[in-house]
Amino acid sequence: AQKVTQAQTEISVVEKEDVTLDCVYETRDTTYYLFWYKQPPSGELVFLIRRNSFDEQNEISGRYSWNFQKSTSSFNFTITASQVVDSAVYFCALSEANAGGTSYGKLTFGQGTILTVHP
Amino acid sequence: DTAVSQTPKYLVTQMGNDKSIKCEQNLGHDTMYWYKQDSKKFLKIMFSYNNKELIINETVPNRFSPKSPDKAHLNLHINSLELGDSAVYFCASSQEMGRGNYFGPGTRLLVL
Repeated sequence: AQKVTQAQTEISVVEKEDVTLDCVYETRDTTYYLFWYKQPPSGELVFLIRRNSFDEQNEISGRYSWNFQKSTSSFNFTITASQVVDSAVYFCALSEANAGGTSYGKLTFGQGTILTVHP
Repeated sequence: DTAVSQTPKYLVTQMGNDKSIKCEQNLGHDTMYWYKQDSKKFLKIMFSYNNKELIINETVPNRFSPKSPDKAHLNLHINSLELGDSAVYFCASSQEMGRGNYFGPGTRLLVL
């Protein structure tokens, strides 16, 4: 069965610091998808990025970057020059392409990392 | 335009009551889900429907009964509410594998 582990329960940084959120996953499938979602204090779930298992290119989007390494089953997320508005709970999630044909894109989430950025 | 909407946004009720949460998506997606987020923020899938057919039921108590009248709607009915049912319930939809889930705003249920 698939599993996602975010070992960091809470991280606290000061504004402008860089911060990396770790995500380690387990799956038996060769085709799968990884995601990061942000949940700000208002409570909605905001999609940040999607990565498929065949694409190990790192991605950068503004202050956000993601490092996908299949060899270590990790999909880490870095925020550069953090800002107070980055304070949120961040979730890593996994979707298997075909868990016996029944997954239909369901997401398995990690426990979440609470990021607090202080001014 | 709201992609995935849920009503109500907040629900406060007494133990033992029956309540429903409604979900609608206007994205034309075939698959809809219910996820539960507990007080520790842990998100876990409860149900999934594909084209009105139940395809995932993650050992949720049978007091929870999803119902999909058409592929744009997935409602959740909860009988005999218990204190432990207090949580945020998210509806979501998706169209194809790997595209991720589009989430509704959540329904915050508090059972007193």
